[in-house]
Amino acid sequence: GENVEQHPSTLSVQEGDSAVIKCTYSDSASNYFPWYKQELGKGPQLIIDIRSNVGEKKDQRIAVTLNKTAKHFSLHITETQPEDSAVYFCAAVVYGQNFVFGPGTRLSVLP
Amino acid sequence: GAVVSQHPSWVICKSGTSVKIECRSLDFQATTMFWYRQFPKQSLMLMATSNEGSKATYEQGVEKDKFLINHASLTLSTLTVTSAHPEDSSFYICSARDGGGVQETQYFGPGTRLLVL
Repeated sequence: GENVEQHPSTLSVQEGDSAVIKCTYSDSASNYFPWYKQELGKGPQLIIDIRSNVGEKKDQRIAVTLNKTAKHFSLHITETQPEDSAVYFCAAVVYGQNFVFGPGTRLSVLP
Repeated sequence: GAVVSQHPSWVICKSGTSVKIECRSLDFQATTMFWYRQFPKQSLMLMATSNEGSKATYEQGVEKDKFLINHASLTLSTLTVTSAHPEDSSFYICSARDGGGVQETQYFGPGTRLLVL
């Protein structure tokens, strides 16, 4: 079955710097890759997603890139702000099957 | 974006009692809803998948008689933790798939924190 790894597990950046979180997956049939942000005590919030027919997607300060050959995808956050501090989860999904989540990355943006 | 609500947001109960958690999709019809459990500093663990009008599908290791799931309508799913014990204390999160939208996308509720004394 699908296995998703996520690195790093914790990440600290200075406000204004960029943050990059990388996920790798094992099942080449995965074709949907969402990213969720979870603040303390709250449910995960979808922030961006990408499908296998696209290599990159951007939404303001957030971007996701996908390399299907290497089976990895990354979340890029530019001009980080303190409110970006949270736990970020990636997931890999085969159409019609359950989400497989990565273990999460705790991002801290230092003022 | 799509909104999913959960009620209650937190609950404290005595060991041996049952607790019901509601999950509602507010602005879309959810043909499929999911229930997750999350322990501190860990990822989301899928407990079960429910489809409107049919029995839930439970993940391996999840006791279906202990975690009762009902998906009676396209906007409501409930999770009942029966005879709760301290080890059931956790953060329970539901999600819903928009039946009229992109098939894969799941929207999560805010979660319910359960503490069993």
